Amino acid sequence: DAKTTQPTSMDCAEGRAANLPCNHSTISGNEYVYWYRQIHSQGPQYIIHGLKNNETNEMASLIITEDRKSSTLILPHATLRDTAVYYCIVRGSGTYKYIFGTGTRLKVLA
Amino acid sequence: DVKVTQSSRYLVKRTGEKVFLECVQDMDHENMFWYRQDPGLGLRLIYFSYDVKMKEKGDIPEGYSVSREKKERFSLILESASTNQTSMYLCASSAQGAGDNQPQHFGDGTRLSIL
Repeated sequence: DAKTTQPTSMDCAEGRAANLPCNHSTISGNEYVYWYRQIHSQGPQYIIHGLKNNETNEMASLIITEDRKSSTLILPHATLRDTAVYYCIVRGSGTYKYIFGTGTRLKVLA
Repeated sequence: DVKVTQSSRYLVKRTGEKVFLECVQDMDHENMFWYRQDPGLGLRLIYFSYDVKMKEKGDIPEGYSVSREKKERFSLILESASTNQTSMYLCASSAQGAGDNQPQHFGDGTRLSIL
């Protein structure tokens, strides 16, 4: 079973920030939070990951709460090409396995 | 950028055939993975490899085998294809880093249909 909970779907206006929440209340100390997205008919694309500090790269920002029980992926200026299913995954060291849940279907609206 | 290339995007085979799915990565990654993705079931790990000639079973290895003769290439073999192996197959690779937290990078998948 997935160790994360995400909303089923969200809409976002083009050019606005998209904030995608993820709940991982049972996360343990050595588990990282990873975000991927999957556009229809393509493989999952890695976006960002973090342990406890906030992270930013050219694609997105990851905000992890202090208790690490939830996180938010932020796409600062959403475009139509960001329409995809976004997956939040927790994984610890010592295991290679990802458990993908059902994800959030983000639709960016023109 | 990491590039994981799967040999075919779409493949149609017949029941009982031996099927080979090929995956190549260009980032000198130690780890390589094969998953299948089915609606409502998410991604399920079939096999992975952490070094040349090394392999480990994932959650659903039955009916599959793998081969890793070179670091950059990881092959998935369906010994005798069956209709319940119709699926999207995804290959991934990752580096071995401190804490094993390196992300996996996926190819675009092979949509396999067994008739």
